[in-house]
Amino acid sequence: AQRVTQPEKLLSVFKGAPVELKCNYSYSGSPELFWYVQYSRQRLQLLLRHISRESIKGFTADLNKGETSFHLKKPFAQEEDSAMYYCALFKYSGAGSYQLTFGKGTKLSVIP
Amino acid sequence: ETGVTQSPTHLIKTRGQQVTLRCSSQSGHNTVSWYQQALGQGPQFIFQYYREEENGRGNFPPRFSGLQFPNYSSELNVNALELDDSALYLCASSLDQTEQYFGPGTRLTVT
Repeated sequence: AQRVTQPEKLLSVFKGAPVELKCNYSYSGSPELFWYVQYSRQRLQLLLRHISRESIKGFTADLNKGETSFHLKKPFAQEEDSAMYYCALFKYSGAGSYQLTFGKGTKLSVIP
Repeated sequence: ETGVTQSPTHLIKTRGQQVTLRCSSQSGHNTVSWYQQALGQGPQFIFQYYREEENGRGNFPPRFSGLQFPNYSSELNVNALELDDSALYLCASSLDQTEQYFGPGTRLTVT
């Protein structure tokens, strides 16, 4: 069965410091991974997906199949980055059926 | 373009009762997925509907059921409510296997 682990419930960093939110996964197939973000009083929204290999709001994430990790990084944290971050694994089950398996989330707090 | 909407926003029910939650998918989307998010946890997949048929299910008992209508809106029904059913219920819509767009959720409290 697939599983996503986010080891930190809470991560506090100072503004301007680097940020790394950890995500490890367990999946027997070819993984497709996402990071979702939820800002205060807003709905869950997609931040980035590994297949697009793009940088959104200064965040990047590299899929490391050897270490089964998909850590989210940003070189300089901003106050507006404070939010709840969820790592998610996409599973395609065939016949048009698919689902996301989420980690428990990490709350990022950027200290001014 | 209208985003995903859910109703009601909050709901309080008593153990043993039944509840229906509603979701309107984003315009043009044909797939709706439902997730349960307990306090302090990530969303957990309940099931998915595509063109009015359930085509994927997570590890939830049969008392969790759903419907999808011709306009692709959807309902989640939960029978015989238990205290552990208290959670935020999220609906997400998508077009085939593209990005899932989430609604704001319905907060269900079972007492």
